[in-house]
Amino acid sequence: GEDVEQSLFLSVREGDSSVINCTYTDSSSTYLYWYKQEPGAGLQLLTYIFSNMDMKQDQRLTVLLNKKDKHLSLRIADTQTGDSAIYFCAESNGDNAGNMLTFGGGTRLMVKP
Amino acid sequence: NAGVTQTPKFQVLKTGQSMTLQCAQDMNHNSMYWYRQDPGMGLRLIYYSASEGTTDKGEVPNGYNVSRLNKREFSLRLESAAPSQTSVYFCASSDEQFSSYEQYFGPGTRLTVT
Repeated sequence: GEDVEQSLFLSVREGDSSVINCTYTDSSSTYLYWYKQEPGAGLQLLTYIFSNMDMKQDQRLTVLLNKKDKHLSLRIADTQTGDSAIYFCAESNGDNAGNMLTFGGGTRLMVKP
Repeated sequence: NAGVTQTPKFQVLKTGQSMTLQCAQDMNHNSMYWYRQDPGMGLRLIYYSASEGTTDKGEVPNGYNVSRLNKREFSLRLESAAPSQTSVYFCASSDEQFSSYEQYFGPGTRLTVT
C-alpha cells in the first residue's frame, strides 16, 4: 500500500528556518498536506498543495513539491517557540470513497530559545 | 460551531471490558473517520464512513466496530478491550464539496487498557 515517511526529530534555534521533509510512494497522490499537532491536541491543517503545483507559500510557510522524486518539504521561516509541535505529512489521491488520507509518522520539531 | 467533539477525553479499561467512543461533528460533513495514534507511527485509519449509512474498514479494523448513527455522529466500539488497543483515538470529518479534502480533527480520546 501507500507509504509516507518522515524523519522523527528536528531541533532548531528560535529565529532560524526549519525544513521538515517527507517522501511518499503513491504516484497518484492528488493532494499533499501538512498537519500540526500541539501537545494534547488533535491535528490541525497547516497547508496543502495540489499535485500539479511545485510550490506554495503562505506567510511563514513554504511548501515545495518534487513530484518526480515524490518529495515534499515544509519550510518554516523565522521559527518561533510556539512552532514546537509534531508535524505530519499526509497524502490523498482524492478520488477514493471517503477521501482517505495516509499519514507519515510525524516529525517532532523542537525550537530552542 | 464546535467542529468535531469527542467523548470521553480519557478512559482506563481492564482487559476484556467494552466501551464506546463517541464522536459528533456540526459542520454537515458527509465523511467521518476514526484513527488511532501510536508513538512514531502517525495516524492509522481504523474505520471510515463516506456517507450516512455506510461504513468501511481502514488499515487496522480488527477489534473494533463502528456505527454511523446519523450524519452528525460516528461511534467506535471496543467489544473486548486488549492492552494492544492502548492508544490515542482521533475522530475526523471531511466533505468532498471542498476540493482540498481537508479533514477536521477532534481533540482525541486517550485510552489505556490494563
